[in-house]
Formats: sequence, structure tokens, C-alpha cells
Amino acid sequence: AQSVSQHNHHVILSEAASLELGCNYSYGGTVNLFWYVQYPGQHLQLLLKYFSGDPLVKGIKGFEAEFIKSKFSFNLRKPSVQWSDTAEYFCAVNAVRDDKIIFGKGTRLHILP
Amino acid sequence: GAGVSQSPSNKVTEKGKDVELRCDPISGHTALYWYRQSLGQGLEFLIYFQGNSAPDKSGLPSDRFSAERTGGSVSTLTIQRTQQEDSAVYLCASSLAGAKGVDTQYFGPGTRLTVL
Repeated sequence: AQSVSQHNHHVILSEAASLELGCNYSYGGTVNLFWYVQYPGQHLQLLLKYFSGDPLVKGIKGFEAEFIKSKFSFNLRKPSVQWSDTAEYFCAVNAVRDDKIIFGKGTRLHILP
Repeated sequence: GAGVSQSPSNKVTEKGKDVELRCDPISGHTALYWYRQSLGQGLEFLIYFQGNSAPDKSGLPSDRFSAERTGGSVSTLTIQRTQQEDSAVYLCASSLAGAKGVDTQYFGPGTRLTVL
């Protein structure tokens, strides 16, 4: 069965620090990959997605993620975080042959002002 | 509408009662998903509707859970004989049919269910 693993459950950083959140999945076929974000009191929303092409994808608010097929990874990065990035981040994977998305358990990011 | 809407936003019920949760997807979105979000557990897939096809019910945790989608639009998730472990936030999402696999999902605000 497919699974998604987010290694960090809770991350605390100071403003201007660099961020990398890990995401690994278990599925050998073609995948669509997503990062969703849930800001406090708001809906889940798409941060970025990878379907095909350049494995380095850029999303909103300066976030980017790199798909490394050989490592089954899709890590999220931001060079300099802001207090407003405090949120919960979810990695999600869709096997293209399927109609379901499997979500990771989420990473709570807390940025200290 | 402008986005996915869900009602009620909060529901407190007593153990053993039935509850109905409603989802209004974005107009024109053919795919509709229900998830359950528990603290620290991520999003658990419950059920998926695509157009007029039979729904994928593979994520429903027990036969107390059911869902329907009328006219390819509004969906209702019903939980019968609620148990305390059903307490969670129930999220609905809709999307356009992707050319390959699932496309971007647009989430509603969720219904927070508390079973006493």
C-alpha cells in the first residue's frame, strides 16, 4: 500500500532561518506530488505541486520543492522563513493510476519572531 | 460559489446519535472527497465521488459511515450511532478531473464533530 512519511512532526525556527521539511513516499510508479499548508484558522490550501517536467517546482510565498525520483522524496524548502509561515504543512502523493491522494501526518512549523 | 462550503461548522452530539455533515463543492468540479482529520494523524481518506461513477468507499472506517452525492453536486456524509472515536474534523474537498491522476484539491473549512 502507498504511504507518505513526513519525518518532522514539529519544527521550531527563528525568523530568517532556512527551512527544509522532509517527505518520502512508497510507490514505484508515476506520481503527482503536492504540498498543502494550513495556516491557523484557515482552510487547507495548495502550496505547490509537481506533475511532470522540471523536478524543482516553485510555489507561493517563496517555497520550493524538489522531486528526487531515486530517493522517492519531495522535500519542501524555503531559504528564509518569516513569522507568517507558522502553519501545518502536509505532503501528499497521488499514484497517477489511482484517484486517491495519500497525505502525510503533517509537520507543525512554529516560527519565533 | 467562491469556494467549498461545509455545514455545520461545529457539531456536538451524544454518543449513539446520528449526524449529517454537508458539503457544497465548487461549481463545475466533478470530483469530491471526504477526509477525516484527527490531531497528529494527518488526513484520513474516507470516500471519493467522480461524476456519475460509483463512489470509492474504500476509506470508510465502518458501516456506520455512509455518504451520498445528489445531482453531482452537494454531498452529505452520515455517521450513524456515533462513537467518541468519531470525534474529529471532517473535511470536504473538490477538484476538476485531472488529465493524469488527481489535480489540485480545494478544501472546505471543515466540520468539527465532538461526540460526548
